[in-house]
Parts: sequence; structure tokens; C-alpha cells
Amino acid sequence: DIQMTQSPSSLSASVGDRVTITCRASQSISTYLNWYQQKPGKAPNLLIHAASGLQSGVPSRFSGSGSGTDFTLTISSLQPEDFATYSCQQSYSTPPTFGQGTKVEIK
Amino acid sequence: QAQLVQSGAEVKKPGASVKVSCKASGYTFTNYVMHWVRQAPGQRLEWMGWINAGNGNTKYSQNFQGRVTITRDTTATTAYMELSSLRSEDTAVYFCARGEYCSGITCSSYWSFDLWGRGTLVSVSS
Repeated sequence: DIQMTQSPSSLSASVGDRVTITCRASQSISTYLNWYQQKPGKAPNLLIHAASGLQSGVPSRFSGSGSGTDFTLTISSLQPEDFATYSCQQSYSTPPTFGQGTKVEIK
Repeated sequence: QAQLVQSGAEVKKPGASVKVSCKASGYTFTNYVMHWVRQAPGQRLEWMGWINAGNGNTKYSQNFQGRVTITRDTTATTAYMELSSLRSEDTAVYFCARGEYCSGITCSSYWSFDLWGRGTLVSVSS
């Protein structure tokens, strides 16, 4: 199975900050990488597909980049509604696997 | 609009089975793969398996091999996930999530979980 590792596991930031979250795959996955946002008690919500494709309806302050083993999710200007947990997921091979999540908290 | 509506919370004893349903609406049910993903308290999301809603083919995670069965009813546009021999470690929220788009025998190579149910809490306790 492909292991997905995110860093950091948590971070504190202020409204307006630029936030970057990293996801590393245990082997090359090309651009078969998706990002999700999850709030407590809710289902995940797709933000970015295929490493850099912005899902319909998702604000443009969210962006993704990377290929191979290293990927990045960036929030250009953190908004109050962005405090949540973010997870990456590879769709390169079965089983699809997720990162452990990065919790973005209010500083 | 497209949505997935899951059945309600369940409380089970160790050794029992649970069957969770996921009713799809707002899109062509048989054109997509439906996945099941679970999340134990404080843990990462864990994939359990999928069913091609068009042809009924299934694939399961080895972590659940022999204990999980995914089925679908195309008339009811509903997918089901049954987990047997429950143990306390199976306490989790279980999600259905739409995956690959399929046309005939070909499914998309790039795919994501783009539509999720709200989740069903399954609690296993004696």
C-alpha cells in the first residue's frame, strides 16, 4: 500500500495568513492526488483533484501543486471558515490511502 | 442536486453484523463507482471497498477481507455496506463516497471522492 504522510500534523494561524500543507507519498503517484477539507462531525469535502485542479465551487484562495511524491496545498489568505482538518488522498493505486490530516487552528 | 443519504446510527454488540445504506439521487447511479470509507475516532480516513454500481463488480480492502460485503440495488439507487463479526475497534463513522465515472466498461483513471454521504456512526460495545 502507498503510505501518505502530511506535515505538519497541526498548525496555528491567523485570519489572512498564507498557509502551506505538505503531503508526501511513499512512492511516485504522478498527479493522482486529491485534497479534502473536513470539519468536526462532517464528511470530507473535495477541494483539489489531480494535484492542482480546483473543484467546482471551491474558493480560489485554495491551490494545489506537486507531482511524483511531493505535494502542497496552499491557502493564500486564511478565512474564518477555513479552520478545519485537511487530508490528502492518493488515487494512483488500490487501496486508495489518506494522509493523517493537518488540523488548522486559530492562533 | 446530487446527494447521498445514509441510514441512521447503529449500536451493536461484539460479534454482530451491521448493514448501512446509502441512497443516491440527482445523478445517474449506474455511471459511477461507490466507495465506502470509515473514520475511527481521532484516526485517518480508511478505505473499505467499492462497487461499480453499473455492473456490480466489487473490490475490498485486505484489512476487511471476508468481513465486508458491498452490494447495490439499481432500482432503488442505493448501495449497501455490511460488516460482520464486529469488534470494538470497528466503532467509527462510515461514509459512502462517489468515485470514478464509468462509461460502459471504461472508468476514469483520474478520480476523486467528489460526493459524500453525511456518515453513519456505528458503535460496537458489550
